[in-house]
This record gives sequence, C-alpha cells and structure tokens, in this order.
Amino acid sequence: SYELTQPPSVSVSPGQTASITCSGDKLGDKYVCWYQQKPGQSPVLVIYQDNKRPSGIPERFSGSNSGNTVTLTISGTQALDEADYYCQAWDGSTVVFGGGTKLTVL
Amino acid sequence: QVQLQESGPGLVKPSETLSLTCSVSGDSISSYCWSWIRQPPGKGLEWIGYIYYSGSTNYNPSLKSRVTISVDTSKNRFSLKLSSVTVADTAVYYCARHGPVLLLDGMNVWGQGTTVTVSS
Repeated sequence: SYELTQPPSVSVSPGQTASITCSGDKLGDKYVCWYQQKPGQSPVLVIYQDNKRPSGIPERFSGSNSGNTVTLTISGTQALDEADYYCQAWDGSTVVFGGGTKLTVL
Repeated sequence: QVQLQESGPGLVKPSETLSLTCSVSGDSISSYCWSWIRQPPGKGLEWIGYIYYSGSTNYNPSLKSRVTISVDTSKNRFSLKLSSVTVADTAVYYCARHGPVLLLDGMNVWGQGTTVTVSS
C-alpha cells in the first residue's frame, strides 16, 4: 500500500518560517493536500492541489511539490499555528494520509 | 454554509456492528463525494471510504471486508457500517465533503466528529 512519511515533530520560533515535509514514491506526480488539526477540533483544509489556499486561509500558508517530497511552509509562524498537520494524496482511487507532524511554536 | 453532523451510538460491544450517520445541511448530498475518516486516540487520521450521491463507493483496502457506506438522498445523509468491531476500532469518526474535483481538491468541510468506544 502507498505510504506518506512525515516527521513526527517540527519546532519553530514565533515569526520564523516553518517547513513540514511529506514524502512518498513519485509523490510529485500526484496532487497533495494539507490539513491543520488543533487539539479537540476537526481537521481544516489549508492547502489543496499542492499549493492552493482555500478561502479564509492566511497567505502565510503555502505549499510546494517536487520529486518525491512536498512541503508545507508557514511564513511568519504565529502561536495560533501550533497544531498537527497532515498531508494527503490519492493512490489510485483511495485516499492516503501521512502520519502527521506536530508543529510546536516556541 | 454546509454543515455535517455525525450521529450514532458512542459505545459498541466487541464483535458487533458500528453504525453512524452523517447528516448534511446547507447543501444537497446529490453533488460532490462524501467520506468517512477516523482517528484513534492520540493517533493520526485514517480514511475509511467514500461514496458518491449515485451510490458508487470506494473503501480503504485494510477495512474493505468490514465496511459498508450507503447514501440516502431523500434524507440528505450518508451512513457508515463497520462490522465485527474490536477495541482497535475505538476512535473519533469524522464525515467530510470532498471538493468539486475529486483527485485535485481536498476535503473542505468536516463534521465535528463523534467518539465511538468499543468495549464490553
């Protein structure tokens, strides 16, 4: 089965840039989404089609896809960005999630 | 705006069937594609399966033998059945709506989730 690999945790200082990676075989050939999930809340879509932001998502969230790795970048990270982040792609007709990355802002 | 609401028993006995419903308001279920996702305590997201309003489905291969997703367009809702549950099926279960282009867009509307515990 297809797997997406994310680092378990990433730390960033407030105001700095956070980068969260997601890797998978030939991931560059697929479109990737990213979700943000805060404790006790439902996931929220923050990036789709690799680099598009849904309405209401701040411009500091961006995405890129190259080769076997996609990256979620949060510029000027704020304390309220502290959350778990999940990448998601399609393997044929099935949905696959990455294991999630806990972003700590300290 | 579109809202999704999961409902169903919060406690299910081992070997029994888990049954949940997702009620859709603010939009017709007769469009887009609709998924079930679950999250065991302290763990990540796991996709269970999706259904189109037409009734066409696709399931996670690891759960396929135990999962049935159905749709009731007259009541604007869709449902999940997971048979032969074990404690490993204890999780928060979410329903979600996919964007207009299935393989391009993500799941842009989620329910609040419902906790299901499998225990005797």
